[in-house]
Amino acid sequence: GAVVSQHPSRVICKSGTSVKIECRSLDFQATTMFWYRQFPKQSLMLMATSNEGSKATYEQGVEKDKFLINHASLTLSTLTVTSAHPEDSSFYICSARDYGVPGISNQPQHFGDGTRLSIL
Amino acid sequence: GENVEQHPSTLSVQEGDSAVIKCTYSDSASNYFPWYKQELGKRPQLIIDIRSNVGEKKDQRIAVTLNKTAKHFSLHITETQPEDSAVYFCAASSPGYSTLTFGKGTMLLVSP
Repeated sequence: GAVVSQHPSRVICKSGTSVKIECRSLDFQATTMFWYRQFPKQSLMLMATSNEGSKATYEQGVEKDKFLINHASLTLSTLTVTSAHPEDSSFYICSARDYGVPGISNQPQHFGDGTRLSIL
Repeated sequence: GENVEQHPSTLSVQEGDSAVIKCTYSDSASNYFPWYKQELGKRPQLIIDIRSNVGEKKDQRIAVTLNKTAKHFSLHITETQPEDSAVYFCAASSPGYSTLTFGKGTMLLVSP
């Protein structure tokens, strides 16, 4: 259980292209999904929290117009990197949190396989 | 906000030895502490977690301990195997907040 699917796994594209990454919870409903960026040999940096049916909450320093997030259903969130440039090249990982068990806060986050984005 | 410190950054052990990774957190309200294992180029996988109402939790060769007074928690791996080699991340979360704050990670190398 608790499977999160992320696509695509690898993207190589030219500077100026917009890239969409999908994150799906396959066997559970996720009211909240998270988008992280990970640089080589570094930790996971939270970019934004995606809430189903409402606007995403972005972390300080993350440009909301650059990284568009949509969470239209309980099983799908998308991250679109608009007008990507070489400095946007990175490993992007999503995670999803189960809807929850009544009376218990902070359910585990389950991660997708990540998307390695390379902008030429 | 929450700040999580993780040590050591790298840890090398011989197969069969035990490994211990330690984390401290700053927010005394934090009540959920998961540990993730990430192999190179792969997704972080939840290996064990603990909530603040419990002091210790064990799952086969893996155990986690929590000291709320000192605000630190540790991962213990016994009888290490080469396949345990990976980067391990600790994290902390406060009640009412859905976000996790991660430590910087520990690269564990288990030599045969």
